[in-house]
Amino acid sequence: ETGVTQSPTHLIKTRGQQVTLRCSSQSGHNTVSWYQQALGQGPQFIFQYYREEENGRGNFPPRFSGLQFPNYSSELNVNALELDDSALYLCASSPGPSEYNEQFFGPGTRLTVL
Amino acid sequence: AQSVTQPDIHITVSEGASLELRCNYSYGATPYLFWYVQSPGQGLQLLLKYFSGDTLVQGIKGFEAEFKRSQSSFNLRKPSVHWSDAAEYFCAVGTSGTYKYIFGTGTRLKVLA
Repeated sequence: ETGVTQSPTHLIKTRGQQVTLRCSSQSGHNTVSWYQQALGQGPQFIFQYYREEENGRGNFPPRFSGLQFPNYSSELNVNALELDDSALYLCASSPGPSEYNEQFFGPGTRLTVL
Repeated sequence: AQSVTQPDIHITVSEGASLELRCNYSYGATPYLFWYVQSPGQGLQLLLKYFSGDTLVQGIKGFEAEFKRSQSSFNLRKPSVHWSDAAEYFCAVGTSGTYKYIFGTGTRLKVLA
């Protein structure tokens, strides 16, 4: 059974650019959540996708957007990058959106904005 | 609003010593509580979780945690720490009817040989 994978591992962008991060969910999981982990902080919830629909969103501006595909993989898109967007972006998959379902985390994508 | 506080940013213990990492939460009803561990370059791994029932929860790698409603706490413990336990530990709370976890800021554990 393959776990949650994310690509790329590291990414360097400049202010104002756009970035797309990718996540492949664990087999059998239909729910993907994205978190931002700034240096020295805990992960903060960005949004969740369930069966290709956004299922909830944290306090992030609209320039953070996402997609979920029929195979339940997901993308996180960030437009107009700002310096404060530099962080580790974590993807987590689960077998459903319920709070009872454990979220399995990928290794993350480290984004640096210069 | 729900929140999680981990008062200790760094903790250093000797190998073989006991460990307790503190976690306090703020939530009006019974929360769902989790402890995750993050090693450098790795994602988060679930150590244990509490939903209901027995307030002493056993997890992987010899960890346990105790839910104390009166103190709004969910402290993580291990009787004897191994060098491989050096990592960052996060406490998180999930709430009924929502889909997101709220994480604390983490406690970085250093283990001395």
